[in-house]
This record gives sequence, C-alpha cells and structure tokens, in this order.
Amino acid sequence: AQTVTQSQPEMSVQEAETVTLSCTYDTSESDYYLFWYKQPPSRQMILVIRQEAYKQQNATENRFSVNFQKAAKSFSLKISDSQLGDAAMYFCAYYGKGGATNKLIFGTGTLLAVQP
Amino acid sequence: NAGVTQTPKFRILKIGQSMTLQCTQDMNHNYMYWYRQDPGMGLKLIYYSVGAGITDKGEVPNGYNVSRSTTEDFPLRLELAAPSQTSVYFCASSYKSGRSSYNEQFFGPGTRLTVL
Repeated sequence: AQTVTQSQPEMSVQEAETVTLSCTYDTSESDYYLFWYKQPPSRQMILVIRQEAYKQQNATENRFSVNFQKAAKSFSLKISDSQLGDAAMYFCAYYGKGGATNKLIFGTGTLLAVQP
Repeated sequence: NAGVTQTPKFRILKIGQSMTLQCTQDMNHNYMYWYRQDPGMGLKLIYYSVGAGITDKGEVPNGYNVSRSTTEDFPLRLELAAPSQTSVYFCASSYKSGRSSYNEQFFGPGTRLTVL
C-alpha cells in the first residue's frame, strides 16, 4: 500500500524568506502523480502544484517549486518570498495511475506560520 | 459555476442520531468522493462513486452509507452517530476519462460535524 509521510508537523518562516516543506512517500508503482495542497483556515483545499513521476523536470508555479527525487521517494515544496497569505496547513498527496478510483492518499500535513 | 457545494457547514449531533450530509457539483464530473479529516490528520477516503448508480468503499467506510442517483448529487448518510465520527467531511469531484488519466479533484468547503 502507498503511504505519504510529512515529518514536520509545524514550520515557521519570516515574511519574504524561503521555506521548504518535506514529504516522503512509499510506493511500488512507477507512474504516479504527487501534489501539494494548501488548506487555509477557511478549510478550502487548494491545489498548489503537481508533479508527474515520469517528468524529470521539477514543477514550478510562481513562488512555489518542488524538489522531486524519484529514487529517494522525496517530494519537497519550496516557497520563496513567503507572504502572510501563505500561512496555512500544507498537505502532500499521492495518486497512483494504476488505480481506477482516482483516489488521493494524503500525508498528515505541515502547519506553516508566516511571521511579519 | 458554483463548483462543489456542501450543506450544512456545521452540525452537532447526539450519539445515536442520524443525518445526511449533502454534496452537489455542477461541473458534470463523473467521479465523486467523500473524505473525512480528523484533527491534525490528512484526509481519508470514506466512499467514492464513478458514476450515477455506482458506489464503492474507500479506506474508512464503517458507519456510513452513500447513494448516487444523479450525476450531480452524492449524499453521505450517518445512521447511528458515534463520537468517533466527529470530524470535518469533504466532498470532492473530478472528471476521469480513462484508467490511467488524472484530472484535478475539486473540493467542497467541508462540513464540521461534532457528535456528543
């Protein structure tokens, strides 16, 4: 069974600084997607960035980028120029293409605080 | 488009009561999901549906029932509420066209349920 592990329950960053959130996963599949979701206090789940396993190039979305290490099964999120609005819970999630359910497997989350 | 809507936003139940959480999507998505999020945890799949009339169990189905009579609606039923069902419930939907395809899941705003 696939698992997703986020070992940092909480992180803090100064406004305008850079922070990296860690995620590791375990799978025997070779083709899959990885995601980072943001959950602000409103509880809305917002897709931040996604990475396809067969793509070697790391995904980037504006101030958000990932470091995808397939062999190490590591998928970290880097937030540059942190803003107060980035404060939220961040979840790493996995989707295996071999499944028929489109099921996402989530980690336990990292709560990010942004200090002014 | 309203996207995915859920009602109610909050609810308090007594042990043994029953209730239905409503979920509606207006994006003509074929796949729909119910997740629960316990405090400090990631989302776990309760039930999912690949189309009208077809439902299946996820990771944590005990204590819940679902039905999918239309493409738009996917209600979640709690028959005998227990304190262990205190959680935030998210409905999500996506369009899946093939076994290995993935399209983004869109989440509703969640329902916070407390069972006392």
